[in-house]
Amino acid sequence: QITLKESGPTLVKPTQTLTLTCTFSGFSLSPSGLGVGWIRQPPGKALEWLAFIFWDDDRRYSPSLKSRLSITRVSSRNQVVLTMTNVDPVDTATYYCAHSQLELFLFDSWGQGALVTVSS
Amino acid sequence: DIQMTQSPSSLSASVGDRVTITCRASQSISNYLNWYQQKPGKAPKLLIYSVSTLPSGVPSRFSGSGSGTDFTLTITSLQPEDFATYYCQHNYNTPSTFGQGTKVEVK
Repeated sequence: QITLKESGPTLVKPTQTLTLTCTFSGFSLSPSGLGVGWIRQPPGKALEWLAFIFWDDDRRYSPSLKSRLSITRVSSRNQVVLTMTNVDPVDTATYYCAHSQLELFLFDSWGQGALVTVSS
Repeated sequence: DIQMTQSPSSLSASVGDRVTITCRASQSISNYLNWYQQKPGKAPKLLIYSVSTLPSGVPSRFSGSGSGTDFTLTITSLQPEDFATYYCQHNYNTPSTFGQGTKVEVK
């Protein structure tokens, strides 16, 4: 059974750096477990694709956020970490991590989400 | 970036109705089109991938069609548990993008 769970702060101040951790089980980042992505959803709004890390450590980012994002993996702990610098209130959202196994960037398993509020 | 446009943004329907949601891509995405269902306070759930393939456990009343730029999600007989928001997504390239969502509400 594949599970993913996001963890991190619930409240962050503007200009600070947000670090979110996705801890997963039931798969490994290998050629058969293509990769893990991050997607966010502001309250009442649509889903936005943020970043993706491949099993071979290649990475992709949303062009509009690329300068502020970093995605890394901690293989020994089955974790993927997303870092977002210089946060703003518009970054307030539920952040999801999700697994791609069937196809690249197709998210077949999702975490429950972590709500992050950016406010002073 | 490839833009995904869904219509309608919301619809009202009754149990047993046939529901159709459309998704248009700003350029051809071949068959790299997926649909997700999201209920309030929950994570999205993969509903259909590669235009028309249902993952294990998804009821057969859901179906998808289309190619290139125009795609459709159909629910043949709406059930109480189908009231939710539906999103299309392309995985043709990066950045992958989602549609703005279609909320299916009780009539």
